[in-house]
Amino acid sequence: DVKVTQSSRYLVKRTGEKVFLECVQDMDHENMFWYRQDPGLGLRLIYFSYDVKMKEKGDIPEGYSVSREKKERFSLILESASTNQTSMYLCASSSGIGVSPLHFGNGTRLTVT
Amino acid sequence: ELKVEQNPLFLSMQEGKNYTIYCNYSTTSDRLYWYRQDPGKSLESLFVLLSNGAVKQEGRLMASLDTKARLSTLHITAAVHDLSATYFCAPRAAGNKLTFGGGTRVLVKP
Repeated sequence: DVKVTQSSRYLVKRTGEKVFLECVQDMDHENMFWYRQDPGLGLRLIYFSYDVKMKEKGDIPEGYSVSREKKERFSLILESASTNQTSMYLCASSSGIGVSPLHFGNGTRLTVT
Repeated sequence: ELKVEQNPLFLSMQEGKNYTIYCNYSTTSDRLYWYRQDPGKSLESLFVLLSNGAVKQEGRLMASLDTKARLSTLHITAAVHDLSATYFCAPRAAGNKLTFGGGTRVLVKP
């Protein structure tokens, strides 16, 4: 079974702090994604990566950056957290082969005060 | 830019009855996924639909795809409590990105 592990289930940070959200997958997947989930808005893609050291902007990249130094790990960085970044953050991975679906982690609920 | 609209946003179901969730999307897509999310949990893949007229079924859930109408439906037959969850559709946009609908929260009442 694919496992996507997000390092924190809940985080509380202050406005202006630099925040790191970590995600690790154990299936040697090429593709990794960061989404945020807000009520009524579904999931919105922040950034994704098809390979190590490679990144692509999603639909809402402003205020975020990412890092992928190793294939299994994809980090989301909030350079200077703001209250409008309070959300549920979901990491996902996929093999990119055939029709394989995204496999999601359990999410990190981030509150910025 | 691919836009996805699901409706209804909330569906209160009676056990034993049939219901349909609709997923409309704005531009051509070569595949569409359906996911389920239980409260406090992550998303679980249900179906992937690849071609016009594709139909997939698992238990009481049946998904179909009409690529010409840019419409997918998720049909629930004889609803049971275990199906209470939020359901998302996600067509694939260019560049292997999935664009998710806003979700349909389903509550099945006895």
